[in-house]
Amino acid sequence: ETGVTQTPRHLVMGMTNKKSLKCEQHLGHNAMYWYKQSAKKPLELMFVYNFKEQTENNSVPSRFSPECPNSSHLFLHLHTLQPEDSALYLCASSQGGQGAGYTFGSGTRLTVV
Amino acid sequence: DAKTTQPNSMESNEEEPVHLPCNHSTISGTDYIHWYRQLPSQGPEYVIHGLTSNVNNRMASLAIAEDRKSSTLILHRATLRDAAVYYCILRGRGDKIIFGKGTRLHILP
Repeated sequence: ETGVTQTPRHLVMGMTNKKSLKCEQHLGHNAMYWYKQSAKKPLELMFVYNFKEQTENNSVPSRFSPECPNSSHLFLHLHTLQPEDSALYLCASSQGGQGAGYTFGSGTRLTVV
Repeated sequence: DAKTTQPNSMESNEEEPVHLPCNHSTISGTDYIHWYRQLPSQGPEYVIHGLTSNVNNRMASLAIAEDRKSSTLILHRATLRDAAVYYCILRGRGDKIIFGKGTRLHILP
């Protein structure tokens, strides 16, 4: 357990479904991130939140909708996804600042059918 | 963000030291050098970071060239559990980390 908890660990959803991924950290970090890792591709940064405010959206399609109600929780709401969205979705948190490391969760393995 | 260059893969024998190289010739004066690793079926794990001086922690050592255009992650005694993809990343003033392809490290028993 890294201190960043992601649920569910695995998710299978149809293209017309709506689902949400949850991320939780109690490390006292003020920044949270969503990354996507597709097969045989580097991790792609999707969204960045600092003190609950979104500071970066890396040209992510609107079928992915993030929500950060407080500094400890981060959600990724999913709707009308495509099969190519199947991937490992990773959440991370950090204290912020260049010298601070990221703590990652174990990820949610998403399969869109 | 400045780019880094790492070998695609490396092999090492168990219980021997491993030196993982990283080139970052376009590094700026304020970029920190971070290393992460990703074990199979897990999220990335922070290993070590530094700015100018060499750094040691319980996991590894980081040797930074004097001109900061390259660095080396040193695993002092590799075990089978060290088999992973190792990422060398430069972290600038923006609050984000961009991952490259990393080096896949194979440990031979």
